[in-house]
Amino acid sequence: GESVGLHLPTLSVQEGDNSIINCAYSNSASDYFIWYKQESGKGPQFIIDIRSNMDKRQGQRVTVLLNKTVKHLSLQIAATQPGDSAVYFCAEISNSGGYQKVTFGTGTKLQVIP
Amino acid sequence: DVKVTQSSRYLVKRTGEKVFLECVQDMDHENMFWYRQDPGLGLRLIYFSYDVKMKEKGDIPEGYSVSREKKERFSLILESASTNQTSMYLCASTRGTVGTGELFFGEGSRLTVL
Repeated sequence: GESVGLHLPTLSVQEGDNSIINCAYSNSASDYFIWYKQESGKGPQFIIDIRSNMDKRQGQRVTVLLNKTVKHLSLQIAATQPGDSAVYFCAEISNSGGYQKVTFGTGTKLQVIP
Repeated sequence: DVKVTQSSRYLVKRTGEKVFLECVQDMDHENMFWYRQDPGLGLRLIYFSYDVKMKEKGDIPEGYSVSREKKERFSLILESASTNQTSMYLCASTRGTVGTGELFFGEGSRLTVL
């Protein structure tokens, strides 16, 4: 079976409640951030992104908040549904040696309780 | 929709064997990446390529090589597989810079080295 979920912090949420998943990033020079969702047995899928000149961005049922002061990113999912169960991880993008460097977080497993 | 296809979802190989992991994308993307994903470590970049016949080392290139003979195909090669290369391998592609947010992943290739 899929081993991605092992050793990950887990957030258990009741169906219909809101979920908040947090991510601390490392590089204060990172200028772009992405949240990904990875369902069991599948590759990561883009959810939402935010640039460093913003502190909030909203999508459909999802909101990303960026706090550059403390280098913290969060993903809020409204009215969590069973289909939201997955591993979520953030990515920070910075420029390094003329290329863009993408650094991924280790992920949080979201379990939705029906 | 963009499709990134990894030819092998599951492989079992023996120590010392040569392993090829193939990745094909169908959207004419310039940039392609190989990551490995391990519990607690997140995604780590092995190699990337911004053009045909071009390759750059990522964060953990040791024990791996790559080939980009055609724009749509990016192959990861393990010359002599070792047990510490047991992992989930993810290929990704994007048209422009990652800053556009369009980093598309394949479904992953789970490699077990015995």
